[in-house]
Amino acid sequence: QVQLQESGPGLVKPSETLSLRCTVSGGSISSYYWSWIRQPPGKGLEWIGHIYHSGSTSYNPSLKSRVTISVDTSKNQFSLNLSSVTAQDTAVYYCARHGHGSGAFSFELWGPGTLVTVSS
Amino acid sequence: EIVLTQSPGTLSLSPGERATLSCRASQSVSSSYLAWYQQKGGQAPRLLIYGVSSRATGIPDRFSGSGSGTDFTLTISRLEPEDFAVYYCQQFASSPMYTFGQGTKLEIK
Repeated sequence: QVQLQESGPGLVKPSETLSLRCTVSGGSISSYYWSWIRQPPGKGLEWIGHIYHSGSTSYNPSLKSRVTISVDTSKNQFSLNLSSVTAQDTAVYYCARHGHGSGAFSFELWGPGTLVTVSS
Repeated sequence: EIVLTQSPGTLSLSPGERATLSCRASQSVSSSYLAWYQQKGGQAPRLLIYGVSSRATGIPDRFSGSGSGTDFTLTISRLEPEDFAVYYCQQFASSPMYTFGQGTKLEIK
């Protein structure tokens, strides 16, 4: 079955760029929307942005100036870059696949998440 | 931005009891755009309900969703030990923008 796996550094210095990758296995990245969502320790969930397999993107307005999401269909991967990070960006970062049809507005499948800590 | 407020913050019940979780939106939400998730400690959230009342694949029928406009409910008809977790509602707005409620913790009484 389809599985998602986040990868990337677990520690990023303040003011630097956080870069994560999500690898999709067991299925194609085509024909779905793919999102990044984060959760600070002990807190709730925040949507960061999404990308369609064609490359079209949408971002959370509160993060838009610092976020770039891209897709590499040849590798079945999509990526997140978050620039100028601060301690407030410390969180578990999840990649997720949207559903189809009426389920497209929810997150049907999630990766296990990766903790990224921003600290010098 | 639509704000989702979940209540109660914590719900203490016993296995076998019925759980009713509330999600109230600051503006009307389309019926296609309201979902519920379950999250257990150290795990990713799991989709339970989408489109207000459609169960996701593999979700037991003791979970049901209802509501419209600004008031939505997740009901667990008869609690099993594995149901004790944190539950989040989530909505989509056409900006596009997705927002989550702050969560309800369902704990064993």
